[in-house]
Amino acid sequence: DIQMTQSPSTLSASVGDRVTISCRASQSISRWLAWYQQKPGKAPKLLIYKASNLESGVPSRFSGSGSGTEFTLTISSLQPDDSATYYCQQYDINRTFGQGTKVEIK
Amino acid sequence: QITLKESGPTLVKPTQTLTLTCTFSGFSFSTSGVGVGWIRQPPGKALEWLTLIYWDDDKRYSPSLKSRLTITKVTSKNQVVLTMTNMDPVDTATYFCAHKASSGCFDYWGQGTLVTVSS
Repeated sequence: DIQMTQSPSTLSASVGDRVTISCRASQSISRWLAWYQQKPGKAPKLLIYKASNLESGVPSRFSGSGSGTEFTLTISSLQPDDSATYYCQQYDINRTFGQGTKVEIK
Repeated sequence: QITLKESGPTLVKPTQTLTLTCTFSGFSFSTSGVGVGWIRQPPGKALEWLTLIYWDDDKRYSPSLKSRLTITKVTSKNQVVLTMTNMDPVDTATYFCAHKASSGCFDYWGQGTLVTVSS
């Protein structure tokens, strides 16, 4: 199994802040990495695919980077609507999700 | 427009077998590359990938749950069926089905269905 580890588990930031979430794979997954946003009671929403490609309709303040085992999701200017839990997911071999990062607005 | 919707029992007893159906529209298993997966989420916990079926009937399973899971497709009805045997209270979760994008990740999700395992 490929394990995915996210950090931090929770972060609190102010509107307008730059926010970074990290995701580490237990082995190289090339760029087969997606990021999802999930709000309470809702299904996850795809934000980023293939490590850095923005899904259609997703605001440009979201960006992804990385390859191999180290990946990052960045929100360039945090907005109130960004309060949610974010998950990374590898899809190199089967699929595995990270444990999630809860983003709170101060 | 792609939509998916999960259906099945909301309550199952321990040791019973769970059967969930994902009914979708906007795509077809007759198209090369199509796939549908199942993902679950225990209350307050993280997402967990369970299984994925492809247009050519290739099937992938989570290694930790492989012995308990079966995924099948009914192409004529635009449905995917998940069965999970020997249900336990720890299997209480919201179960989602999702469309596999051409990129490989999941771009469209159903609303999810909460399944409680309790006697």
